[in-house]
Amino acid sequence: DSGVTQTPKHLITATGQRVTLRCSPRSGDLSVYWYQQSLDQGLQFLIQYYNGEERAKGNILERFSAQQFPDLHSELNLSSLELGDSALYFCASSTRGQATNEKLFFGSGTQLSVL
Amino acid sequence: DQQVKQNSPSLSVQEGRISILNCDYTNSMFDYFLWYKKYPAEGPTFLISISSIKDKNEDGRFTVFLNKSAKHLSLHIVPSQPGDSAVYFCAASARNQGGKLIFGQGTELSVKP
Repeated sequence: DSGVTQTPKHLITATGQRVTLRCSPRSGDLSVYWYQQSLDQGLQFLIQYYNGEERAKGNILERFSAQQFPDLHSELNLSSLELGDSALYFCASSTRGQATNEKLFFGSGTQLSVL
Repeated sequence: DQQVKQNSPSLSVQEGRISILNCDYTNSMFDYFLWYKKYPAEGPTFLISISSIKDKNEDGRFTVFLNKSAKHLSLHIVPSQPGDSAVYFCAASARNQGGKLIFGQGTELSVKP
């Protein structure tokens, strides 16, 4: 158990809909990361937050947004969903989110299926 | 632009033999490299790492080698065990990118008894 909690584990929805994925980081970790894993793809970095502030942005679509709340949990919002958004979405956390030698601790992911 | 590449989608080895997983990168700013292991229905878990100031790091059966001039790293598992069967991801980070990790596509290792 990594200590990172993601809910829900599975989500099935229709095209055009909006969903929210939730992540609670490990106790004491200030930084949260969101990654997307599609079929035959590696883990694609989406966005990073540190102590409530956006720190880095990757290949995140404009239809997607995220935030980190004062209690440090994070939500990833996906809107106007398309079939191609079907993927496994991982949340990870780390202590400081600043050093290159930090390990990330991953949750078990949310499997999103857009039908 | 795939900055971290794992060109072998899969690898099959016999139990007790050596498993060698390879990874190439293009960004010369990367200064820290990690390997993560992922079992089905679980998130990736940290396995071993290496700083760019080193060329080798060993932890039990796992050794990571870094060749900076070739922008190449490899993970050696000796001896391989059936429980090592998983997807292995190579990842890298750069000083000016904070804690963000860039991952390769992964290599699925199958260790046969």
